[in-house]
Order: sequence, then structure tokens, then C-alpha cells
Amino acid sequence: AQKVTQAQTEISVVEKEDVTLDCVYETRDTTYYLFWYKQPPSGELVFLIRRNSFDEQNEISGRYSWNFQKSTSSFNFTITASQVVDSAVYFCALSEFAGSEKLVFGKGTKLTVNP
Amino acid sequence: KAGVTQTPRYLIKTRGQQVTLSCSPISGHRSVSWYQQTPGQGLQFLFEYFSETQRNKGNFPGRFSGRQFSNSRSEMNVSTLELGDSALYLCASSLTGPSTDTQYFGPGTRLTVL
Repeated sequence: AQKVTQAQTEISVVEKEDVTLDCVYETRDTTYYLFWYKQPPSGELVFLIRRNSFDEQNEISGRYSWNFQKSTSSFNFTITASQVVDSAVYFCALSEFAGSEKLVFGKGTKLTVNP
Repeated sequence: KAGVTQTPRYLIKTRGQQVTLSCSPISGHRSVSWYQQTPGQGLQFLFEYFSETQRNKGNFPGRFSGRQFSNSRSEMNVSTLELGDSALYLCASSLTGPSTDTQYFGPGTRLTVL
């Protein structure tokens, strides 16, 4: 069965610090997708990134970067030079490709960036 | 382009009642997914519809049902409400499915069961 574990329940940092959010997943499939979503205090989830299981290249988007390692079943998310606006709950999610269209989410990590 | 809209935004019901929540996807999106979010269980998948067909269902009792109309709008229904059904219900839409297309979420409907 699919499972996503975000071991860090809450993280608190000071502005400009770098922070890494961990995500470990379990799946029996060889083809799957991994996602990160952000839920700011306003409540609406915002899509950040999708990776398929065949693409292990790390990705960088501005201050955000993602490290996908199949060997350790991890898909970690790093925010460089954090800002107060990054304060949110971040969710990692997994879907198996075989047309399931069903996302399994981790419990989320609440990030607080203090000024 | 208008985002995903959900109505109502807040709802208070009593145990035993039933409730219907509505979701209007982004224009052109044919896939609609529903999720339940609670502090204890987190975000849990309820079901996903594409072109009026339910393609997947999560592990929820039969009291939870849904449907999708020809214009892609979707409704979910919860019958015989229980206290544990109190949650934020989120709807999300995508072009053809959340695995392969970007999924956009609505603001949610906050359901309180008394």
C-alpha cells in the first residue's frame, strides 16, 4: 500500500535560514508520481511540483529546490533563504501511475518563519 | 480565469442529517477530486471524477457519495452525519487527472456536525 511519511510535524526557523522538509514514501509500483503542495494560513492548497519516478534529476525553482532519491525513497524539499511568506503547512503526496488518479498525502509539516 | 469555487463555505449540521457540497472546477477541467481534511487524519482522498465517471474512491463508508455533471461541476453528499464528519472538505480540479496535470484546489467547505 502507498504511504507518505513526513516525520517533521513542525519546524520553526528565523528568516534567511535554509530549511529542508523531509518526505519518505512507500509504494510497490515502479511508476509513480510525487508532489509537494503548500497550504498557507488562508487555507487553499497550492501545487508546487510534480516528479515522475523515472526522473531523478533535482529541480530548482527560485529559492525552492527538490531532491528526489529513489534509493532512499525520499523526496525532500529545501527552501533557501526562507522568508516570512513561506510560513505554511507543506504536504508531500504520492500517486501510482496506473490511472489511479488517487493522491495519498503525508500529514504535513508546519513551517513557521520568524522575522 | 476563475479558480475552483466551492459552496457553501461554511455549514453547520446536526447528527443524522445529510449534506450536499458543491464544486465548480476551472473552466475546461474535466477531472474533479474531493478530499477530507481533519487535524487527526490529515488530507484523505474521497473520490475522483472524470467526464461524469467515478474513477477512484477512497476508504470511506458508503454514506459518502458524489457525482459529476456534464458541465464538470461536482457534488458530494454525506448522509446520516456523524460527529466525526466535521472537517474541511476540499475540491480540486485538473485537466485530465491529478497525477499528470496540475491540480488546483478550492477554498474548501468547513462542515461542523453538532
